[in-house]
This record gives sequence, C-alpha cells and structure tokens, in this order.
Amino acid sequence: DAKTTQPTSMDCAEGRAANLPCNHSTISGNEYVYWYRQIHSQGPQYIIHGLKNNETNEMASLIITEDRKSSTLILPHATLRDTAVYYCIVSTGGGGSNYKLTFGKGTLLTVNP
Amino acid sequence: NAGVTQTPKFQVLKTGQSMTLQCAQDMNHEYMSWYRQDPGMGLRLIHYSVGAGITDQGEVPNGYNVSRSTTEDFPLRLLSAAPSQTSVYFCASSYRQGVGKLFFGSGTQLSVL
Repeated sequence: DAKTTQPTSMDCAEGRAANLPCNHSTISGNEYVYWYRQIHSQGPQYIIHGLKNNETNEMASLIITEDRKSSTLILPHATLRDTAVYYCIVSTGGGGSNYKLTFGKGTLLTVNP
Repeated sequence: NAGVTQTPKFQVLKTGQSMTLQCAQDMNHEYMSWYRQDPGMGLRLIHYSVGAGITDQGEVPNGYNVSRSTTEDFPLRLLSAAPSQTSVYFCASSYRQGVGKLFFGSGTQLSVL
C-alpha cells in the first residue's frame, strides 16, 4: 500500500468546517483513499472512501486532487463529538489479493467550543 | 445485527499464561482481522483471514496464533503471554472485496504482568 502523510494534530472551532489533509504521492491507479476515525478508546469507524471522484455521505465529504496525490476530508459542521484521531489510508481494498489495511498515526482533530 | 463482538473487554494475565481473545461477527463477512494498538504506534495488523480455513500473517504475528473454523468466529490465541503483549486488541471484519471498509469491535484491553 502507498504511504500517507498527515499532520499530527489540528484544531477546529465548533460549527465550522474541519478540513483534514492527506498526502499520498505514491498512490497507484488501483488504490482507493479511505478515511477512518477513532474516538478515544473506541474501535476505529469507517467514514468514507474514494478512487478518483469526490465523494459525499452523511458524515463527510472527500475531495481528491486530479493527480490523486493528495486528498482532503471535510467535516462540514464540526461538533465536539467529532474530536478524534482521523486516519487516511491508501489501499486496493482487497483487489489484487492485497488484504492488508495499514493504519498510520493519523491526525488528532480537536474541536473547541 | 450485533456487528463485531469482542470478549472479554478487559483481561489481566501473568507472564507465561495463555488465553484466547474471542471475536465474532454476524454480518457474513469473509474477511476478519486482528490489530493491536499501542500508545504512539497506531494500529498494527497481527493476523487476518479471507475465509474459513484460510489465515495469513500481518505485520506483527509473533506470539499469536489464529484459526478460522467458521465464517463467524476468529479467535486470537496467546500461548505464553509476555509483558510486550500488553495492548488494546481490535478485531475487524469486512466483505472480501471490500476490505477497505472494515467494521471494528469495541476492543479488548489486555495487561500482562
């Protein structure tokens, strides 16, 4: 799997949009970008994933650059409950018999009142 | 659906003792995996399975055994616990062709004295 680079920590004001960046300059054509988050002491939670196009669901939006070398996870209206570690992962997701999903250290997002 | 169920939630062992961490899922997922999480290290893959009777090693398999006799269950065995195995253990599952979208259990906090 391609390596990802994320900032160690970020702050965001409650009610504002949180934009979490991720660099993945060595991403391959068949690799997806996945985002997870982990609220303190809980199991990680899947948020969203994408290949080329921007994606949106009820939790967040994912913006992938045209060259696919970076992406941004957007939480449109952050709440205190969004305080968590956010992981950006690049993987084929099982394609090509690659079943190893590698989590890095992620970004600690702190949402402040 | 209960999702992914891990037992026990907490466990204290003495060095050299053996135990089994249980993981069960009721979503008919082919893929199951075990991760450990240590402070400052992120999540590291221990073992995984892509179906009943099939297991493979992850990043940190030493000291752990697994088997997959049914689709639902994927137990993790510590044959002779060591203090270095003190960690939080997470089980996760997904469809085989959707490994990027993992469903995690709530974790087992293990202390080896």
